[in-house]
Amino acid sequence: KQEVTQIPAALSVPEGENLVLNCSFTDSAIYNLQWFRQDPGKGLTSLLLIQSSQREQTSGRLNASLDKSSGRSTLYIAASQPGDSATYLCAVRPHSGAGSYQLTFGKGTKLSVIP
Amino acid sequence: EPEVTQTPSHQVTQMGQEVILRCVPISNHLYFYWYRQILGQKVEFLVSFYNNEISEKSEIFDDQFSVERPDGSNFTLKIRSTKLEDSAMYFCAGLAGVFSYEQYFGPGTRLTVT
Repeated sequence: KQEVTQIPAALSVPEGENLVLNCSFTDSAIYNLQWFRQDPGKGLTSLLLIQSSQREQTSGRLNASLDKSSGRSTLYIAASQPGDSATYLCAVRPHSGAGSYQLTFGKGTKLSVIP
Repeated sequence: EPEVTQTPSHQVTQMGQEVILRCVPISNHLYFYWYRQILGQKVEFLVSFYNNEISEKSEIFDDQFSVERPDGSNFTLKIRSTKLEDSAMYFCAGLAGVFSYEQYFGPGTRLTVT
């Protein structure tokens, strides 16, 4: 059974710092990995998706990397801003042919960017 | 851009009552999902639905839960007799096909059972 772990559970940084959020998964047979943002009491906003054949994806100040063989992904946020404060979730989808392709989520990292 | 919609955004119900949560997936999607997130906990898979039947369900999805796609557009989750522990955010999601990349999530319905 796939398990997804995110470290740290919470992170507080001053505005302008670069930071890295970590995600690890136990079963490397994944189809892709998605990073989401969740604001308190709100829904899930998809940030980046990395296919299993890719090493990284970039969107603006965000860069996500994937090392499938070691079961790790990182989300790098450059020049953090107070508006980046949210919980960041990592989710993996199993490879085609395995189940119904539902996502397995980590518990998230709660990020606070201090002005 | 097409999006997944869910209604209501917030539902308050008394313990033991039946609730129906509604979702309108993106029209060309083939796979549909319900997930839930209890406050402070992980987003958890409940059930997947394909070709008008349940394709997989988790341990959480017991006999109190049911899903259906009654009219080819709506996708509903019914909880027959709600319990306090059913209080959570419920998310609907869709996938266009096996080789599609991304699941698209709705904004969620917050269910509060009192």
